[in-house]
Amino acid sequence: DAGVTQSPTHLIKTRGQQVTLRCSPISGHKSVSWYQQVLGQGPQFIFQYYEKEERGRGNFPDRFSARQFPNYSSELNVNALLLGDSALYLCASSFWAGNTIYFGEGSWLTVV
Amino acid sequence: AQTVTQSQPEMSVQEAETVTLSCTYDTSESDYYLFWYKQPPSRQMILVIRQEAYKQQNATENRFSVNFQKAAKSFSLKISDSQLGDAAMYFCAYRRRDNTDKLIFGTGTRLQVFP
Repeated sequence: DAGVTQSPTHLIKTRGQQVTLRCSPISGHKSVSWYQQVLGQGPQFIFQYYEKEERGRGNFPDRFSARQFPNYSSELNVNALLLGDSALYLCASSFWAGNTIYFGEGSWLTVV
Repeated sequence: AQTVTQSQPEMSVQEAETVTLSCTYDTSESDYYLFWYKQPPSRQMILVIRQEAYKQQNATENRFSVNFQKAAKSFSLKISDSQLGDAAMYFCAYRRRDNTDKLIFGTGTRLQVFP
């Protein structure tokens, strides 16, 4: 069975641009969450969606938004990119919210 | 607010030896989960071991075991018979016992394994 898949793997954006990152959960998993991992730090929770509804939000500005689709895949959008948004963005899924969480390999975002 | 602290930025161990990684956390809740995740150079976070706070017995997964001291809010990971493939970043994480997938991570410990 395929694990959590994310795309793109790497991307470079310019300050002020917008980016969309995509995530497909493990088949059958209904909960998707997003984390930001800045170099040298542990991941920080951004969002969780369960059954297409926002279940939790971390301490991130409104430039960050997300949604979950009927097939449980998810997108993370970041507007007005800043240099500080450069990070590894990890997507994770679980069968139901509160169950064991599995991570994807992440999307590397570099903002120049 | 809950916090997780890993005070060892780097650790090293020789192959076949045993190493212990430390983690402390702060919470006012009585029921929660604690995890150790491994992050190799591929960057994918891999679950190593999980501990439920209401269980007094320490979790064990093959060569990996934990020492869970609830009163001291300490959660260390012991790796026995270390292998070259164990080299990675190790993160301690906390999660409330609720219907969210919000993990709170420490800053990580880089483990080097020498032949």
